[in-house]
Formats: sequence, C-alpha cells, structure tokens
Amino acid sequence: GAVVSQHPSWVICKSGTSVKIECRSLDFQATTMFWYRQFPKQSLMLMATSNEGSKATYEQGVEKDKFLINHASLTLSTLTVTSAHPEDSSFYICSASGVMGIQGGGEKLFFGSGTQLSVL
Amino acid sequence: GNSVTQMEGPVTLSEEAFLTINCTYTATGYPSLFWYVQYPGEGLQLLLKATKADDKGSNKGFEATYRKETTSFHLEKGSVQVSDSAVYFCALSHRDDKIIFGKGTRLHILP
Repeated sequence: GAVVSQHPSWVICKSGTSVKIECRSLDFQATTMFWYRQFPKQSLMLMATSNEGSKATYEQGVEKDKFLINHASLTLSTLTVTSAHPEDSSFYICSASGVMGIQGGGEKLFFGSGTQLSVL
Repeated sequence: GNSVTQMEGPVTLSEEAFLTINCTYTATGYPSLFWYVQYPGEGLQLLLKATKADDKGSNKGFEATYRKETTSFHLEKGSVQVSDSAVYFCALSHRDDKIIFGKGTRLHILP
C-alpha cells in the first residue's frame, strides 16, 4: 500500500522556537494533505487542508500565522509551529490523499506515523 | 455538528477473547463510517469501512455494521490475538475527505 513518511517522530524544543514537521508521500502523488492534532485523551482534530501549489485552508480556531503549512510539491507538505509554547505540545499527524482513482471518502487517505511535540 | 463517540480505553483482554469496541456517531445526512487502527510506531491504517446503512465492513477477522437506527458502528472480533494490540479509531466522513475521528481506544491483548 501507499506509504506516507512523517518526520520527526518526536521533538522536544524550548518555548519560543519554531519546529518544522515534514510529511512525504513516498510512492504516490498527494494532491491533498491534511494535518491533524491530538491532545491526550482527545480526538484527532483536523487543523488544515492543503492542496499542492495553493494556500492551506484552516479549520475554525486554528491560527494560520502560528501553524504554517506549505505544500510546494506533490510529495511534500510541511507544518511549521512558530514560536512554540507549552500549550502547543501535542501529537501531530498528517494524511495524504493521492491520485489513485479510488472512489469514496477516507479510503484513499494514507496517514503518517505522527509527531509528538513537547515544548518546554 | 458531526461527532464520533467511542468507548474509552484501555481495553485489556486475554488472547482468544471476544472483542467489542462501541462507537456511536452524530451526523447530518449519510456519512461513510470507518475503523482505523494504529499499531505501535506506525501510521493510521484503514481497517474497514461501510458506506451505507446495514453495510457490514470486515477485515482481518474484524467486523462492524452500519446501524443507522442506533447511529452505531461497533467493532467486533470473535477471537483476538496479541498482534491485535493497537489503538483503534472510529471515524466518519462525508465526500470531502475530511474525517472526523473518535478519541481512540487502546487495546491490550495478553498472551
């Protein structure tokens, strides 16, 4: 099956620094990528949707200037948490939707393994 | 709004036990329903899905039936194995690929 690589798998940073998380589709072209965040014992919450070559669409309540999303190519999307603070500590996970001709919603989505961010 | 509620874990069972993980949803229209599984150190993988009422999704011995009358999509397996230890997410989606997840249920299977 399709593989999505997400790096790093975990990161610890100081408050005020920026952290970049990469999401790569390894064997297919990802026209759309989704970024989710999960706090402990909470649901995975969609943060934003990015389409290759265009600006990301952010969900209500997600600060676009804090969570910078770039989807410059069909195989790479990045999420940068700018000026991170302890409340940004969370599990971030990406998913990629590819040009595979598979019908329906959800089944053509492939997920990365996630990034655990801890801000001190 | 749309939401998914699933039973809280962790759930701990002995090998070969019967498994049920409850999931109910709230949604407008007729969403597709999914169960995703996340094994340790790996990304989420689609386990099974159902796209309309009374559909039964099945995979790897797991089953779930789309029950519109009870707005439920409970996950079941007749005889679990240690290798089934993972986190299971119930989810729904309309056709825009945006998925709404439950909180996840961690499953531990003891040998």
